Amino acid sequence: DSGVTQTPKHLITATGQRVTLRCSPRSGDLSVYWYQQSLDQGLQFLIQYYNGEERAKGNILERFSAQQFPDLHSELNLSSLELGDSALYFCASSASPWGEQFFGPGTRLTVL
Amino acid sequence: TQLLEQSPQFLSIQEGENLTVYCNSSSVFSSLQWYRQEPGEGPVLLVTVVTGGEVKKLKRLTFQFGDARKDSSLHITAAQTGDTGLYLCAGPLNAGGTSYGKLTFGQGTILTVHP
Repeated sequence: DSGVTQTPKHLITATGQRVTLRCSPRSGDLSVYWYQQSLDQGLQFLIQYYNGEERAKGNILERFSAQQFPDLHSELNLSSLELGDSALYFCASSASPWGEQFFGPGTRLTVL
Repeated sequence: TQLLEQSPQFLSIQEGENLTVYCNSSSVFSSLQWYRQEPGEGPVLLVTVVTGGEVKKLKRLTFQFGDARKDSSLHITAAQTGDTGLYLCAGPLNAGGTSYGKLTFGQGTILTVHP
């Protein structure tokens, strides 16, 4: 158990819908990262927050947004969902912006 | 195009055999990391290699960082069924000497060890 929690574990929804994925980092960690894992693209970095501020951005679509709240939990919002958004979404946390990352168990999103 | 290319993509071997997984890039990395991921779980960090030519051992696993810091390998001696999983190499996309931060991952190697 990495200490990072993600909810929900599974999510099934329809095209065009909007969903919110939630992540609670390890106790004491200030940085949160979001990754997407799909069969064709592998594990791709989406976005990083540190202490509530966006720190780095990867190949995150405009339909996707994220934020980190004062209690340090983070949410990833995915809107206007497409079939191709079906994937595993992982959250990771680290103590510092450049520290070792600990991954959560992921949320499996299925878009029908 | 992947910044980090892993090979092979799939590896199916018998218990007791040795194997090597490769991670190659045309870019220089300040460090490379190896992760292992099991079904239904997130990746777990195995090791970070930082110095060109560095060799690190973790029980039956040996990790090497190329002299030019463009490649790395993972060698498993006498594989066991418990080694089955997805092995991923990763490197930082940040400029400078940081080892972590936003990471780029290889496509992964799916290892199956049969009893």
